Amino acid sequence: GAGVSQTPSNKVTEKGKYVELRCDPISGHTALYWYRQSLGQGPEFLIYFQGTGAADDSGLPNDRFFAVRPEGSVSTLKIQRTERGDSAVYLCASRISGGSGGYTFGSGTRLTVV
Amino acid sequence: KNEVEQSPQNLTAQEGEFITINCSYSVGISALHWLQQHPGGGIVSLFMLSSGKKKHGRLIATINIQEKHSSLHITASHPRDSAVYICAVRETSGSRLTFGEGTQLTVNP
Repeated sequence: GAGVSQTPSNKVTEKGKYVELRCDPISGHTALYWYRQSLGQGPEFLIYFQGTGAADDSGLPNDRFFAVRPEGSVSTLKIQRTERGDSAVYLCASRISGGSGGYTFGSGTRLTVV
Repeated sequence: KNEVEQSPQNLTAQEGEFITINCSYSVGISALHWLQQHPGGGIVSLFMLSSGKKKHGRLIATINIQEKHSSLHITASHPRDSAVYICAVRETSGSRLTFGEGTQLTVNP
């Protein structure tokens, strides 16, 4: 596609449920990033993929959060046993690795845990 | 102290005014980005800077590497410029971006 696509755009789930958020990056972008943005704050880093592997997962807040990118394109962010504090906009970005390639952001998934 | 700090947090201007948003950072960087975020969450990249100055239409971005400071200027502001403007840096030690908390700009007609 022409841009970074994130689905769903909105997700409401009950506390304790499992959710999956999907990111479809720009074709050919080998680097993929997940960020989380709480209301009124800037995005915070969660995890970075280079190809299929997680190059940096230091931003994942705890072991309820996990992300995969099995074929080096689409990525899925998985959250187990959701808590109300997980409510935020989850943003995905991709870029061509190396050089001075800029970042392209998706429109985000707004997750609300009730 | 955040690694990336922006000022002001909120800014209200009248249409036509010249606007400046500032960004200071405390880490070594390979690039600094200015981003625009409209209600609904979508983020658009405005500029990527590693030195000097860039201009695109009514937007100008400058960076002073020695002082670890960047500014985003908007000339002849318009209500459609109303958005959150975010400064983000890519540290020399990694690939991820570290974001400021954003500046909410409101331009009144």
